[in-house]
Amino acid sequence: AQTVTQSQPEMSVQEAETVTLSCTYDTSESDYYLFWYKQPPSRQMILVIRQEAYKQQNATENRFSVNFQKAAKSFSLKISDSQLGDAAMYFCAYSRTYKYIFGTGTRLKVLA
Amino acid sequence: NAGVTQTPKFQVLKTGQSMTLQCAQDMNHEYMSWYRQDPGMGLRLIHYSVGAGITDQGEVPNGYNVSRSTTEDFPLRLLSAAPSQTSVYFCASRDRRLNEKLFFGSGTQLSVL
Repeated sequence: AQTVTQSQPEMSVQEAETVTLSCTYDTSESDYYLFWYKQPPSRQMILVIRQEAYKQQNATENRFSVNFQKAAKSFSLKISDSQLGDAAMYFCAYSRTYKYIFGTGTRLKVLA
Repeated sequence: NAGVTQTPKFQVLKTGQSMTLQCAQDMNHEYMSWYRQDPGMGLRLIHYSVGAGITDQGEVPNGYNVSRSTTEDFPLRLLSAAPSQTSVYFCASRDRRLNEKLFFGSGTQLSVL
């Protein structure tokens, strides 16, 4: 069975600095999709970035980028120039067809 | 565009009571799903549907029933609520393309006493 592991329950970063959130997963499949979702205190789930496993190029969305290491089954999220609005829970998720597997989340605190 | 609408936002039940969490989407999405979010456990898939009349179990289906009679609606039923079902419930939908993002509802905070 597929699993997703986020080993950092909580992280802190100074405003304007860079932080990396870790995610590892386990699967025997070669074709799948990976996502990072953000959940601010409002509880709304917001897609941050997504990566198709067949694409070697790492996905980038403005200040957010991923380091996708397929062989190592690692999918970390880098947030550059951190802003106060980045404070939230971040969830890593794996999907292949219709079942999504979420990690346990990392709470990011941004210090002014 | 309303997106995914969940009702109610908050609910308190007594053990043994039944209730239905409503979920509706107006994006003509084929795929709809229900998750529960518990502290330290992330989101776990309860049930999902890939179209009207088609449902399947997720990771934690026990104690929950679903049906999909229309493309728009995907209600989640608790037949006999238990304290272990105290959680935040999210409905999410997506179109047929596998790499597309999930659209989430705003969640239902359910407490079972």
